[in-house]
Amino acid sequence: AQKVTQAQTEISVVEKEDVTLDCVYETRDTTYYLFWYKQPPSGELVFLIRRNSFDEQNEISGRYSWNFQKSTSSFNFTITASQVVDSAVYFCALSEILASGTYKYIFGTGTRLKVLA
Amino acid sequence: NAGVTQTPKFQVLKTGQSMTLQCAQDMNHNSMYWYRQDPGMGLRLIYYSASEGTTDKGEVPNGYNVSRLNKREFSLRLESAAPSQTSVYFCASTDSVGWKLFFGSGTQLSVL
Repeated sequence: AQKVTQAQTEISVVEKEDVTLDCVYETRDTTYYLFWYKQPPSGELVFLIRRNSFDEQNEISGRYSWNFQKSTSSFNFTITASQVVDSAVYFCALSEILASGTYKYIFGTGTRLKVLA
Repeated sequence: NAGVTQTPKFQVLKTGQSMTLQCAQDMNHNSMYWYRQDPGMGLRLIYYSASEGTTDKGEVPNGYNVSRLNKREFSLRLESAAPSQTSVYFCASTDSVGWKLFFGSGTQLSVL
């Protein structure tokens, strides 16, 4: 069965520290997609990144970077020089393609990040 | 472009009452989803719909019914609300290549 594990329930850092959010997934599919979403205190879910299973290149976007390693089934997210505005709950997700051709998305339980000034 | 629109944003029910959460998307997406979010549980899939006229159960379908009225709309009904259904509900949709899930702004439901 598909599964996404975010073992870190809550992380607190001081502003300007780097922080890594861990995500480990399980799937039997050879083709799948991985995602990160951010949920700020306002409650909406904000898409951050999608990665497909064939692309193991790391990605950097400003202060954000993602490390995808198929060998360890991990898709970790690092924030460099964290800011108070980064305080949010972060969700990792995995999508599987169903026989109907649609996608089913499985989410981890989320990691609450608190960045202290 | 409104994206995914959910109504209402907040609702308080008494145990046993019924209600329908409405969701509509204007992106011509085939697939639509209902999730619930509870503290420490992440987002759990209630029901999904691959296309107009089709619906399937997710992880936690008990106590809910859904209706895919047309391509735009996907409603979630609680026939007899229970306190265990107190949660934040999110509707979402995606296109045929599953590029990403587009979420509505959520409905905070309290069942007393």
